[in-house]
Amino acid sequence: GAVVSQHPSRVICKSGTSVKIECRSLDFQATTMFWYRQFPKQSLMLMATSNEGSKATYEQGVEKDKFLINHASLTLSTLTVTSAHPEDSSFYICSARDSGPGANVLTFGAGSRLTVL
Amino acid sequence: GDSVTQMEGPVTLSEEAFLTINCTYTATGYPSLFWYVQYPGEGLQLLLKATKADDKGSNKGFEATYRKETTSFHLEKGSVQVSDSAVYFCALKQFGNQFYFGTGTSLTVIP
Repeated sequence: GAVVSQHPSRVICKSGTSVKIECRSLDFQATTMFWYRQFPKQSLMLMATSNEGSKATYEQGVEKDKFLINHASLTLSTLTVTSAHPEDSSFYICSARDSGPGANVLTFGAGSRLTVL
Repeated sequence: GDSVTQMEGPVTLSEEAFLTINCTYTATGYPSLFWYVQYPGEGLQLLLKATKADDKGSNKGFEATYRKETTSFHLEKGSVQVSDSAVYFCALKQFGNQFYFGTGTSLTVIP
């Protein structure tokens, strides 16, 4: 089945630094990937839609300059949290839609837990 | 707009008890409906899905039936196990790539 790999799974950084999270589709091509943020005991909040070869589409209220998204190839999207602050600490999850036999099903990465000190 | 409403948790059950997690949706048209499960420290995994009215999705003993008349997609399992402890998310997909998730329901199964 479709597999999405996300790295790193956990990262701790100092306030003011930038952190990059990678999301890869391992056995399928994804022209579109999605980045979600999950707060404790809450649902997933869609942050942005990452489009291969073009600019990401951000949801209302998400800072484009803070959460930089790059979708450089059909199998890789990256989320960079710039100048991270403690309030950016969260669980970030990426997903991609498999257009194969499992069409219209989102496959999720395992998530990346960011802790900003 | 489109949305999903899930019963609030947490839910605590004894092993072998019957499970129901309610999910209702609001959508124009005919969305596809999903249940995803999230185990501690992991991302979401697709549990089951249904793409049209009256379809029943099933997997690992879990079932959910797409009820258009009641706009519901309740998750059920006849006999839960400790390993079923997780957070369960109901979701819908309408047009394009946008998925809408419920707030999640935490299930704890005790031996």
